[in-house]
This record gives sequence, structure tokens and C-alpha cells, in this order.
Amino acid sequence: QKEVEQDPGPLSVPEGAIVSLNCTYSNSAFQYFMWYRQYSRKGPELLMYTYSSGNKEDGRFTAQVDKSSKYISLFIRDSQPSDSATYLCAMKLNTGNQFYFGTGTSLTVIP
Amino acid sequence: GAVVSQHPSRVICKSGTSVKIECRSLDFQATTMFWYRQFPKQSLMLMATSNEGSKATYEQGVEKDKFLINHASLTLSTLTVTSAHPEDSSFYICSARKQGINEQYFGPGTRLTVT
Repeated sequence: QKEVEQDPGPLSVPEGAIVSLNCTYSNSAFQYFMWYRQYSRKGPELLMYTYSSGNKEDGRFTAQVDKSSKYISLFIRDSQPSDSATYLCAMKLNTGNQFYFGTGTSLTVIP
Repeated sequence: GAVVSQHPSRVICKSGTSVKIECRSLDFQATTMFWYRQFPKQSLMLMATSNEGSKATYEQGVEKDKFLINHASLTLSTLTVTSAHPEDSSFYICSARKQGINEQYFGPGTRLTVT
């Protein structure tokens, strides 16, 4: 079993839709949770960073962490064509350097 | 901000030659830098982790002698692909982490094509 599971998609939604992206994980010791956005042929860009459980909101983006279910989500409200990208979740333990990445979900927002 | 640059962004080289890729943290000191490889439509594959002033830690299956990593300062790490072959063609991405901070900040990537 992989440490982090993420549905690769592809996911296609109309402009203005609410997008829900998810990852599950197996290691209950993960404490730090991140979402990255990667445009084609570019490096990943940090979108959201959450420590432990709870929600975090930044503009149209909301990150949720449910540690009891080992499940994290990224919601995108009022999705725009410019949101079309691959979204990667990442997790980290409290110690050490290693980050655990999901495989990424490819999102296309259709105008 | 936390900006990481990579140079070159794109390189084409002949089989058997060596290529050096630079990764710089522009506005912060990076105690740890990471090198990843990414194939088309696939996720990031961690190649090695390097801490400033010490030897890099390579992931299983990554050849140390082929992928030379030098983290000479708190703002610069280099990856040298030695005796490159066409199968080394890939997108190489570095990232950097500040001391005491848990986020990684990625560079824009370098596309290597070996002919």
C-alpha cells in the first residue's frame, strides 16, 4: 500500500463549478499537509499548507484535514480555466526531511 | 516570499556528455534541498536529499556516481548528470526547505533531452 493515495483523474469541470480534490493516507503520524499546483512543464507551486487537523481557507481555496479518517481535501470554489493544472497533495512527519507526495490529479476547467 | 530558481530551464546534450543543473534559493537560506525527477504525466520521484556541507542522501535505485549532487552553500545546490544517455531524458525539479519550516518550495524545473 502506498503511503499516499490520490486519484489521478483526469477531472473535467465547467467554469464556475466547485472542485473537490482528495488524498488518503496510511500513516497516522503525518502532521503536515500540503497542496501543490503544477502547470504543464513547470515546477509545483505551494498552494496550501496545514498543520494537523482542521480547515484552512485562502481565497477560493479551502484545505481540509480529517486525521481520524486519514483524508485530506482541497476545494476550489468558482473554478476558473486558469485553475487547469495538476494538483499534488503532500504530507510530512513531525521530524525528518522526507515528504510523501500523491501522484497528482489532473484538472481541466472548461470555459 | 520563497523563490527557487533553476538553470538551465532546458538543455539538449549528446549521449556521453555531462550536464550540470543549478538550483538556487533566491531569498532564503535553504538548509535542505531536494532533487526530483518527473516523467510525463507522472508524479515526482525523489532522487536525493542534500544538506548544506554534507553528502547527499540518495534514494534506492538512484546511482550516486551518475547523478552527482553538490550542496556547496545555503543557497546553491547542483545536480550533474554524468555520461548522459537518452534514458536520462526527463524533467528534473529541485526544491528547497528553510530551516525549521516544513514547506518545500520548488524550482521551475529543467527539461533535459539527451540525443
